[in-house]
Amino acid sequence: AQKVTQAQTEISVVEKEDVTLDCVYETRDTTYYLFWYKQPPSGELVFLIRRNSFDEQNEISGRYSWNFQKSTSSFNFTITASQVVDSAVYFCALSETNFGNEKLTFGTGTRLTIIP
Amino acid sequence: DTEVTQTPKHLVMGMTNKKSLKCEQHMGHRAMYWYKQKAKKPPELMFVYSYEKLSINESVPSRFSPECPNSSLLNLHLHALQPEDSALYLCASSQDKETTAWGNQPQHFGDGTRLSIL
Repeated sequence: AQKVTQAQTEISVVEKEDVTLDCVYETRDTTYYLFWYKQPPSGELVFLIRRNSFDEQNEISGRYSWNFQKSTSSFNFTITASQVVDSAVYFCALSETNFGNEKLTFGTGTRLTIIP
Repeated sequence: DTEVTQTPKHLVMGMTNKKSLKCEQHMGHRAMYWYKQKAKKPPELMFVYSYEKLSINESVPSRFSPECPNSSLLNLHLHALQPEDSALYLCASSQDKETTAWGNQPQHFGDGTRLSIL
């Protein structure tokens, strides 16, 4: 069975600080996909990134960066120079190819608060 | 604004009422999903439709009845709900993986319907 663990329930940082959100996953599949979603107070889940299990390159998109390490089954997310608009709940998710229609397993989420 | 539109945004209903949640997408996606999300919890998958056919039912009680009239629309019919069914109901869509070059495509979510059962 697949599992996603986000050990950090809540994080608060002062604006402009860097912050890293941790994600550890478990799967028996060799081909799988990892995702990060952001959920602001409005409720919508906003897709941030998808990474497949064969691509371990780190990715940077503006102030966001992701560190994927298969050796430790981790897919961590770093926000550089945080802003108040980054305040939200962030979910890491895993999907395996054998489930067909992208059945996502979500972590429990990390609530990030950026203090002005 | 999201590309997945859900109506209504808020719904309050009694346990004997019948109501429906609606979801619409115009991205040409062939897979559509219903999720239930309780406060401070992650979304829980309820149903998946692929090419307008129900492909996954996560053992959801029969008081929730999904319907996919066409590839752009997804409904969730509600009847005789319980107070514990109060939650945020999220709709999502994605390209079915068989139609893409490869890989599981990301799901795109609507804003959700906040449902309260009295």
